[in-house]
Parts: sequence; structure tokens; C-alpha cells
Amino acid sequence: QKEVEQNSGPLSVPEGAIASLNCTYSDRVSQSFFWYRQYSGKSPELIMSIYSNGDKEDGRFTAQLNKASQYVSLLIRDSQPSDSATYLCAVKGPGANSKLTFGKGITLSVRP
Amino acid sequence: GAVVSQHPSWVICKSGTSVKIECRSLDFQATTMFWYRQFPKQSLMLMATSNEGSKATYEQGVEKDKFLINHASLTLSTLTVTSAHPEDSSFYICSARADENVRWGKLFFGSGTQLSVL
Repeated sequence: QKEVEQNSGPLSVPEGAIASLNCTYSDRVSQSFFWYRQYSGKSPELIMSIYSNGDKEDGRFTAQLNKASQYVSLLIRDSQPSDSATYLCAVKGPGANSKLTFGKGITLSVRP
Repeated sequence: GAVVSQHPSWVICKSGTSVKIECRSLDFQATTMFWYRQFPKQSLMLMATSNEGSKATYEQGVEKDKFLINHASLTLSTLTVTSAHPEDSSFYICSARADENVRWGKLFFGSGTQLSVL
């Protein structure tokens, strides 16, 4: 069974710090990786997608993918209280019919 | 990003009634949409995959006769919770995958529907 693990958390960081969120996955042939942010009572919002090894930066967010080690991470620089939310890692295998598998999420709290 | 509209945002109904939830992709075509359920402080649970023009595919343990899905067009899928009971109270979220993004699988979510069954 395909698994996506987000075991660390909840995470608390001071405002302005770097928050590091980690995710590991079990299916070696996974090809698409996503980070979603979900505020309490709201639906998930896509914030990053990454498909190849290495880093991908978008504003204060950097996604890092290492397929050999089967992990994907999300770094949030200059963390703000508004970043406080649950972050969901999602992984998709190859093929059009492969579904997205979500991790349980990591709750991030940014202290003012 | 692509916009997915979901209505209603919240609904309160009496036990035994049916509730319909609509999910629309506003600026892209989505042959495939997905319906999730989420209980408080838990992750998303995939209920079913909705395919335009064909029957939905339900995940194990999800009753297809209770959760009716209709994907009538390339931009609209509906979920009907039939004969709702208090245990059906949950946050229901739809998502859509743009047809040009099938390979990579990027999903965009609707705003969710909070269902409370009295």
C-alpha cells in the first residue's frame, strides 16, 4: 500500500524563522509531489508542486525533492503568523489513473 | 491557479433527508473530479473518483447507494448524500484535475461543504 508519512509535528517556530516540513513516501515510482496548506475549517490550497530532483523556489517557499531517498520537504523562510496552518504532503504515482495520496499533515504554529 | 467552486458552503439538515453538493471547475475542463471527506483534525479521505460520462469509482468502504455521484458535464460533478444521518456529518471537499494536467495530477480544491445532520 502506498504511504505518505509526515511524522514530525506539531511544529512551532518564532516569527521570522525558517520552518522545515518533511515528508517521506513509500512508492519509488512516484512522479508528482505537492504541498498543500489548509487553514482550520477551510479546504486545502496548493502552494507548491515539484516533479524533478532538486529545489524549487517560489517566494518564501522552497520545495526540495530527493527521489533516491524518497523524501520531499518544504521550507518556509521568514515565517509569519499567517503561515500557521496544517501542511499536507501529497504524492502521485505515474500514469493518468494514479491517484494522489495524502499524508496526515503537519500543523505549523508561528509565534509572534 | 485554477478555480473550483463548491456549493453550498455549509448545510444543516434533519436526519433522513438528502443533501446535494455541487462542484464546478470554473475556468478549465475536468473529466475527472474527486470527492473527499474530512473529520476534525484528520487528513483527507478519498471517497470516490467522479468521471464525466461514466460511473464513479468508489473507495473501499464507501457506500455507492448512499453517496450518489453524477458527473454530468466536463465542469460539473455533484455528490448527493442520501438519507443522511448524524454520522454523515463531516466536511466534504471536492477537487478537480485539469484535463491538460492529467499526467502530473495537480489537484485544485473547492471550498468545502460542512454538513451537519441533526
